[in-house]
Amino acid sequence: DTEVTQTPKHLVMGMTNKKSLKCEQHMGHRAMYWYKQKAKKPPELMFVYSYEKLSINESVPSRFSPECPNSSLLNLHLHALQPEDSALYLCASSQERPSGRIEEQFFGPGTRLTVL
Amino acid sequence: EDKVVQSPLSLVVHEGDTVTLNCSYEVTNFRSLLWYKQEKKAPTFLFMLTSSGIEKKSGRLSSILDKKELFSILNITATQTGDSAIYLCAVEAEYGGATNKLIFGTGTLLAVQP
Repeated sequence: DTEVTQTPKHLVMGMTNKKSLKCEQHMGHRAMYWYKQKAKKPPELMFVYSYEKLSINESVPSRFSPECPNSSLLNLHLHALQPEDSALYLCASSQERPSGRIEEQFFGPGTRLTVL
Repeated sequence: EDKVVQSPLSLVVHEGDTVTLNCSYEVTNFRSLLWYKQEKKAPTFLFMLTSSGIEKKSGRLSSILDKKELFSILNITATQTGDSAIYLCAVEAEYGGATNKLIFGTGTLLAVQP
């Protein structure tokens, strides 16, 4: 299995809703990532988990809350989002060496999020 | 501040043409440079470059890194309409002892016309 899966593919939510995005990989990768991508822009890193511990938080607002329940799963909990948070949310995973070096990242298909 | 700059921002060519996409970077603690192709959804991995002057090749695509001048190029020969996509350059940077991270460039939008 050499793919990263994400659910749901599309999500529409109101500003008062609570929802979660899910990401799964079975490649044995120990680094997992959340990116946000707006139209015609490159992916922007949000969070990195390394060996199920939060390694990098790129000053993301607290209305986004990541969780890594185990080495194969990564969640992104959403609460009280704003319309400007509408974007494609990409999950990625990669092999990580003890030194922190990463191998190439494999991306999931993304969740297209619309906040009304 | 770390930055990765790609040029051109967009490019329109005809099938059979050869294109060269550029990526320059100013990144502290550089570790590697990666190229991705993004069509409608997720970026797909093309190349990872760590050493200067060694060309990596996959079919009609090739790439090379110059760590002295801080740039990389991606060449596509005999372009086909299926090559139409956004090509993203990303630099792996060491991040204070934690997991390294990727810094993406703005991308080059390539359109190949029949």
